[in-house]
Amino acid sequence: ILNVEQSPQSLHVQEGDSTNFTCSFPSSNFYALHWYRWETAKSPEALFVMTLNGDEKKKGRISATLNTKEGYSYLYIKGSQPEDSATYLCAFESGGSYIPTFGRGTSLIVHP
Amino acid sequence: DTGVSQDPRHKITKRGQNVTFRCDPISEHNRLYWYRQTLGQGPEFLTYFQNEAQLEKSRLLSDRFSAERPKGSFSTLEIQRTEQGDSAMYLCASSSSTGGDGETQYFGPGTRLLVL
Repeated sequence: ILNVEQSPQSLHVQEGDSTNFTCSFPSSNFYALHWYRWETAKSPEALFVMTLNGDEKKKGRISATLNTKEGYSYLYIKGSQPEDSATYLCAFESGGSYIPTFGRGTSLIVHP
Repeated sequence: DTGVSQDPRHKITKRGQNVTFRCDPISEHNRLYWYRQTLGQGPEFLTYFQNEAQLEKSRLLSDRFSAERPKGSFSTLEIQRTEQGDSAMYLCASSSSTGGDGETQYFGPGTRLLVL
């Protein structure tokens, strides 16, 4: 069983605050790391797929970094807005699997 | 392209009844996945298809669960003799093995099952 941990479990911030979450995963047999955003009553939406150690991806105010050697990824949100409120999931894929193992997610609530 | 769709969105059933859920993936995607998600947990893998072939099943998938993808397009997930522990969100996702987008999975909105 692969262990994928996300922290914190939940986070409340004020509009305009910057924030970050952590996803930790096994450091061996790495293939890919995915980040998803899941808003209530909607489908999980893919944010990033990261495959190389040192990868940095950016989409608007959201960015992510990847360290496969130590087994962690950070997701950053700059200047949080209420519409960023969602659960952020990471999913780890090991080599040759095609089956991601998801963390429990970080629930973000941005207060106006 | 309308994305991944699932039907129904909600299902309430009594313990012991059978239920069937449907997933329509993105049309050009050859891989289709089923997950189950319960409160406070991330999605847990149940099974996946490449075209019509069911390539892997989780140990979570008891004999009461069966999934099909008869023509490599839509898929059904059936739960027989439902139990209260089956209450969960059932998510479907699809992806393309051509790797153009790094095997990103695209999710449907899920079917929320409540077993009374």
